[in-house]
Amino acid sequence: GAVVSQHPSWVICKSGTSVKIECRSLDFQATTMFWYRQFPKQSLMLMATSNEGSKATYEQGVEKDKFLINHASLTLSTLTVTSAHPEDSSFYICSATTASGAGETQYFGPGTRLLVL
Amino acid sequence: SQQGEEDPQALSIQEGENATMNCSYKTSINNLQWYRQNSGRGLVHLILIRSNEREKHSGRLRVTLDTSKKSSSLLITASRAADTASYFCATDEIGGQFYFGTGTSLTVIP
Repeated sequence: GAVVSQHPSWVICKSGTSVKIECRSLDFQATTMFWYRQFPKQSLMLMATSNEGSKATYEQGVEKDKFLINHASLTLSTLTVTSAHPEDSSFYICSATTASGAGETQYFGPGTRLLVL
Repeated sequence: SQQGEEDPQALSIQEGENATMNCSYKTSINNLQWYRQNSGRGLVHLILIRSNEREKHSGRLRVTLDTSKKSSSLLITASRAADTASYFCATDEIGGQFYFGTGTSLTVIP
């Protein structure tokens, strides 16, 4: 079946640095990719919707200058957490959708755990 | 991260009817979450039910959790055409893993 990968799976960084997380669809072209964050024992929160070749659409309350999203190709989207601070520590998950004969199908990446010291 | 199972995969009902979707999982959990996704949009959180809870309500939504059977159900009462969407369960498992079900596609016919 279709696979979505994320890299890195774990990252620890110092406060003030920027961290880039990659989301790749490995065997299909993703028309749309979504980025979510999750705090421990809480639900996912949608951050932004990313379409290839266009600017990401951010959800209310998500700072687009803080969380830079680039969707350079149909198989790759990146999320960059700029000038990370401890409150940015979270679990970040991407998902990718592809249109198939049966409609849209969504696949989730394994997530990236970010710890900002 | 997609290891839960949902049943049915697709469901089509008339407006006003109730819709029931089921989710099964494999290991011990901290909580189970239900999400909705409209076509082309991201997931929207509906309800989170903790492992020590058996039932939870939110408007027309009712979620049950049976940890002995490792299953949960989402009931939407008095369905509306606007409820047409895909519904996903997700489990926050003890040990830190987070898994999604495969989703149920609900169509409510006006």
